[in-house]
Amino acid sequence: AQSVTQLGSHVSVSEGALVLLRCNYSSSVPPYLFWYVQYPNQGLQLLLKYTSAATLVKGINGFEAEFKKSETSFHLTKPSAHMSDAAEYFCAVTLTGTASKLTFGTGTRLQVTL
Amino acid sequence: KAGVTQTPRYLIKTRGQQVTLSCSPISGHRSVSWYQQTPGQGLQFLFEYFSETQRNKGNFPGRFSGRQFSNSRSEMNVSTLELGDSALYLCASSDPGQGGVSPLHFGNGTRLTVT
Repeated sequence: AQSVTQLGSHVSVSEGALVLLRCNYSSSVPPYLFWYVQYPNQGLQLLLKYTSAATLVKGINGFEAEFKKSETSFHLTKPSAHMSDAAEYFCAVTLTGTASKLTFGTGTRLQVTL
Repeated sequence: KAGVTQTPRYLIKTRGQQVTLSCSPISGHRSVSWYQQTPGQGLQFLFEYFSETQRNKGNFPGRFSGRQFSNSRSEMNVSTLELGDSALYLCASSDPGQGGVSPLHFGNGTRLTVT
């Protein structure tokens, strides 16, 4: 069975600072990994996905994530935080190619301060 | 293209009643998945429908059911509502035919409150 662990339920950064949201996965076979963002009263929006084509994945809004098999990690980063990045971020994993049955992490709420 | 549309946005029901939620996927998407989101349990997979057939199912009791129509629109039904069913129900569609790993596109959800 697959699972993901997101370290830190709340992360606070200053505007302009580096954003680092942590995700570790557990899977017996190569996984497909995703990062989603959820703004208040909205659904989830895909930020990026890892499908084994490249270990460094670039997504929307300046976010990127690096797949590290040796560390079983898929951390999300952004060089410079913006106030509009304040939201909840979810890491998710699936072993199937259609990604219809995702296992989500518990989420990390990102706060951006002035 | 229009995104995934879920109706209604908000529902208030009484314990013991039943409820039906509706989801219209992105045009051309044949797979529809449903998720339940609660503060305690997080995001949990309910089921997936593809071409009117249930293809995957999560670990929810039989009170939770769904169906998909020939135009790919989907409904989920919860019977004999319990207080613990209060949650945000999210629908997501995808297009497995596009090749590679097709990501989910989520609607804004239906917030169900059971009193």
